[in-house]
Amino acid sequence: GENVEQHPSTLSVQEGDSAVIKCTYSDSASNYFPWYKQELGKGPQLIIDIRSNVGEKKDQRIAVTLNKTAKHFSLHITETQPEDSAVYFCAASKMNRDDKIIFGKGTRLHILP
Amino acid sequence: NAGVTQTPKFQVLKTGQSMTLQCAQDMNHNSMYWYRQDPGMGLRLIYYSASEGTTDKGEVPNGYNVSRLNKREFSLRLESAAPSQTSVYFCASTLSRSEGELFFGEGSRLTVL
Repeated sequence: GENVEQHPSTLSVQEGDSAVIKCTYSDSASNYFPWYKQELGKGPQLIIDIRSNVGEKKDQRIAVTLNKTAKHFSLHITETQPEDSAVYFCAASKMNRDDKIIFGKGTRLHILP
Repeated sequence: NAGVTQTPKFQVLKTGQSMTLQCAQDMNHNSMYWYRQDPGMGLRLIYYSASEGTTDKGEVPNGYNVSRLNKREFSLRLESAAPSQTSVYFCASTLSRSEGELFFGEGSRLTVL
């Protein structure tokens, strides 16, 4: 089955700097790669996603890149702000073929003042 | 619009006791999921249901049973709780396998003594 590896497990960056979180997946049939943000005491919420027919997607300060050949995808957050402090999860699934959605182990992002 | 509602939010059990976690969604979603979240382990899929009347095992199904009672409700049962089942449990739903976004509940914190 699908296996999603996520790195780093913890990341601290100065406010205003950029943060990058990386994930790799094992199943070449996976075609949908979402990123979720989890704030303390809450359930995860989708922040951005990418499908396998595109290489990059951007939404204001966040962007996701996908390298299908290498089977890895990354989350980029620019101009980080205190409210970006949270746990971030990547996930992978075979949209339209399978209902399983498998998550990475998460990255705790700390934005330092 | 409540979204995904889980009950109870907190529960303490003794080893060997049984209990059921309840989940309901009011978004007319077809697919529903149960995940557990443990420190350093991320979100692991326990069971999922692609549609009313169907259920499938996820990554860590042992020790759990599920029931898709109707389109709205998906319950998770621990027949004989063990300390290893101490975790935060999240229910989630999505419209279908062609619609990627998962909507999560607020979580249920279970402690097994």
